[in-house]
Amino acid sequence: SQQGEEDPQALSIQEGENATMNCSYKTSINNLQWYRQNSGRGLVHLILIRSNEREKHSGRLRVTLDTSKKSSSLLITASRAADTASYFCATDRSNDYKLSFGAGTTVTVRA
Amino acid sequence: DGGITQSPKYLFRKEGQNVTLSCEQNLNHDAMYWYRQDPGQGLRLIYYSQIVNDFQKGDIAEGYSVSREKKESFPLTVTSAQKNPTAFYLCASTSPGNQPQHFGDGTRLSIL
Repeated sequence: SQQGEEDPQALSIQEGENATMNCSYKTSINNLQWYRQNSGRGLVHLILIRSNEREKHSGRLRVTLDTSKKSSSLLITASRAADTASYFCATDRSNDYKLSFGAGTTVTVRA
Repeated sequence: DGGITQSPKYLFRKEGQNVTLSCEQNLNHDAMYWYRQDPGQGLRLIYYSQIVNDFQKGDIAEGYSVSREKKESFPLTVTSAQKNPTAFYLCASTSPGNQPQHFGDGTRLSIL
């Protein structure tokens, strides 16, 4: 079942601007993961943040997690045309390595 | 280079026909997964396997079947009982212990 919900559904920004997308979920989690999907391709893992962590960085990506609000955000700084993709959050709720994916945010970066 | 290979990239099914999608990984991962993705939507879990010769149903297993005879391989059969099979199918694998999943590049299944 899908637990995560991303917001907004779609985002269009100019190259060089920052892009922020949010993910809300319903039940407690072990960790939350963000993935990117280019059109017609598989998903690529970006960042995993554990339930006891509040913020993680990876290059131009910054992820926050607020377990009290059951929400996470993904910030892409200084966006590039190559960042055009769909971004999904996925929650790991149990110890059987199953993930629940949201419907994704489609990001378009205009040159 | 280690990774997951899905084949074929495109597949067409006739009415009443079963088709099998291949998924092979050389990452030495124990767990493997099959997901279905419909346009503009997220991934829904069809089946998953944590160990050879064992697998469990996901959220939308009806009309699908799998086998896990080898650690490297987790084929998915879309049976004629699946009345709406047109979708993008993704295979993934992972190691135990809060690790990210690695995905193949998908198979797009359409109806003839």
